[in-house]
Amino acid sequence: DQQVKQNSPSLSVQEGRISILNCDYTNSMFDYFLWYKKYPAEGPTFLISISSIKDKNEDGRFTVFLNKSAKHLSLHIVPSQPGDSAVYFCAARATGANSKLTFGKGITLSVRP
Amino acid sequence: DVKVTQSSRYLVKRTGEKVFLECVQDMDHENMFWYRQDPGLGLRLIYFSYDVKMKEKGDIPEGYSVSREKKERFSLILESASTNQTSMYLCASSLEGAGTEAFFGQGTRLTVV
Repeated sequence: DQQVKQNSPSLSVQEGRISILNCDYTNSMFDYFLWYKKYPAEGPTFLISISSIKDKNEDGRFTVFLNKSAKHLSLHIVPSQPGDSAVYFCAARATGANSKLTFGKGITLSVRP
Repeated sequence: DVKVTQSSRYLVKRTGEKVFLECVQDMDHENMFWYRQDPGLGLRLIYFSYDVKMKEKGDIPEGYSVSREKKERFSLILESASTNQTSMYLCASSLEGAGTEAFFGQGTRLTVV
């Protein structure tokens, strides 16, 4: 049973436009959410996170929104750049889970010049 | 900066071999993890450890074991490698507690022939 779902496997956007990557979860015990970015043949790198007590967190071009009632979060990248082309993973952690992260399947973002 | 180092970037092993994947972190993190990444399946947790000599099974532990004799080192062992264990293996570490992200190594691409 997949607890973190990234239902769209890929997204293509024009350089300079907004990229919106979506993530849904089913476990109501999740209280911390993270986004990771991964290039081919490299390990994932941490991008941005949000606690369940917030509904928005912003870091430069990246903003994560959390809608707890809908069990939905999204990552907005504005403006999108070609270097943002990568696989993006949504991850979540439950309270008291020894910091174990549960990941989604990932979304491949392509930013066209 | 946190550094998580995996001993090999690429490995080719034969079916039935015993395989050791080594991971070392330099930031005194309590938690260490082993994930595998496969196309269309995202990152799946194999095993994790929250202290020396402590380990817990993740979502897909079958065919694997782990060892954590020192805080900085976490080893993944494939007891008898099979072709369905061909994958990208990712080690990560994190501090214990809320609001902490996991840091990943560069990954080991294992091919079992």
